[in-house]
Amino acid sequence: KNEVEQSPQNLTAQEGEFITINCSYSVGISALHWLQQHPGGGIVSLFMLSSGKKKHGRLIATINIQEKHSSLHITASHPRDSAVYICAGGRADKLIFGTGTRLQVFP
Amino acid sequence: NAGVTQTPKFQVLKTGQSMTLQCAQDMNHNSMYWYRQDPGMGLRLIYYSASEGTTDKGEVPNGYNVSRLNKREFSLRLESAAPSQTSVYFCASSGDRSGYSYNEQFFGPGTRLTVL
Repeated sequence: KNEVEQSPQNLTAQEGEFITINCSYSVGISALHWLQQHPGGGIVSLFMLSSGKKKHGRLIATINIQEKHSSLHITASHPRDSAVYICAGGRADKLIFGTGTRLQVFP
Repeated sequence: NAGVTQTPKFQVLKTGQSMTLQCAQDMNHNSMYWYRQDPGMGLRLIYYSASEGTTDKGEVPNGYNVSRLNKREFSLRLESAAPSQTSVYFCASSGDRSGYSYNEQFFGPGTRLTVL
């Protein structure tokens, strides 16, 4: 069993839809990171969570520590949100990555 | 600030050739990392350096060596390239608290390496 698991692997949506990507992680991970990989390949950090919820624009990330589960939500999705979204668990100063969710948003 | 820079962006090697991937960061970060990314798999850690002068193996270190030249630079060397090393390589750096799982990692643009 992978230490960080994401679902779904692929996701398509129509512009305006509400998107949810899920991430489950194992014991020993103390922080959960969400990253975005653009179609051109660049990777940027979106959020780091250790508890609760964070919001940035149309992106919302939540974490449930007891259930070891995190979700990334995108409200009012737009074609420019098309990317691969990666969750990663922080253990000491290393990250353990999920395999990513490929999101395509169509106009 | 340039953030994290990597060179080259693309490289094609023949089996058995050697090369060094260069990485530099200008954020005064202590920790630096080399990852590889393969289709269908998450980013996998090759080597990392928690501070200048220290390096440690990650998940997939075989066939690679690293040098933390100074606080800014962390290079990855392939001594004898193999087709299994065809991948996209990312360098990253993170904050100034060693061992801190909350540090955000900043990634370079990646190097696409093909070994024939």
